[in-house]
Amino acid sequence: EAEVAQSPRYKITEKSQAVAFWCDPISGHATLYWYRQILGQGPELLVQFQDESVVDDSQLPKDRFSAERLKGVDSTLKIQPAELGDSAMYLCASSSGENTEAFFGQGTRLTVV
Amino acid sequence: GEDVEQSLFLSVREGDSSVINCTYTDSSSTYLYWYKQEPGAGLQLLTYIFSNMDMKQDQRLTVLLNKKDKHLSLRIADTQTGDSAIYFCAESIEGDYKLSFGAGTTVTVRA
Repeated sequence: EAEVAQSPRYKITEKSQAVAFWCDPISGHATLYWYRQILGQGPELLVQFQDESVVDDSQLPKDRFSAERLKGVDSTLKIQPAELGDSAMYLCASSSGENTEAFFGQGTRLTVV
Repeated sequence: GEDVEQSLFLSVREGDSSVINCTYTDSSSTYLYWYKQEPGAGLQLLTYIFSNMDMKQDQRLTVLLNKKDKHLSLRIADTQTGDSAIYFCAESIEGDYKLSFGAGTTVTVRA
């Protein structure tokens, strides 16, 4: 069964260091999302791609976060420098189009120490 | 998200029905969803309902939507230990699949 792949599953990093997460969506899915889920809260959208273009990054802290999807397939989310408050689960999701089901990956659990 | 609110905890006995409630504020919501998250895992879509419907049933799951009161509920019949998880209510609006999630309801099933 096709699934959204994310790596790494877990990441521990020191504050002020750089960290990157990778997501490979389901083949053929044009829409890709990065969500951040702080412990005890629901996921919040950070960035939405349609193919290689950013559709919505209004909630992305652009001073330290960046996201790219250069060939419209897999995507990378980077944080530099990491802060303690960035500790969270980072979830990637993909869908084939508007108002169709989004499939979520297992997530990357980030701990900043 | 601040636009979607849920009660935080629910404890239910195995075999009983569970009812999880959610309220939302965006009247332009088109689809409303229920997701399940097990410990350390991603989100699994359980079911969804279009905003012009008031009920949807799928095996043990029943979704009720009161659009006037902006209230959504998920009923799980014959709750099993495998149903223990966090359940998220989410909404999206016409033309966009961007989801706004509630904080999640932790359901604990006791023997």
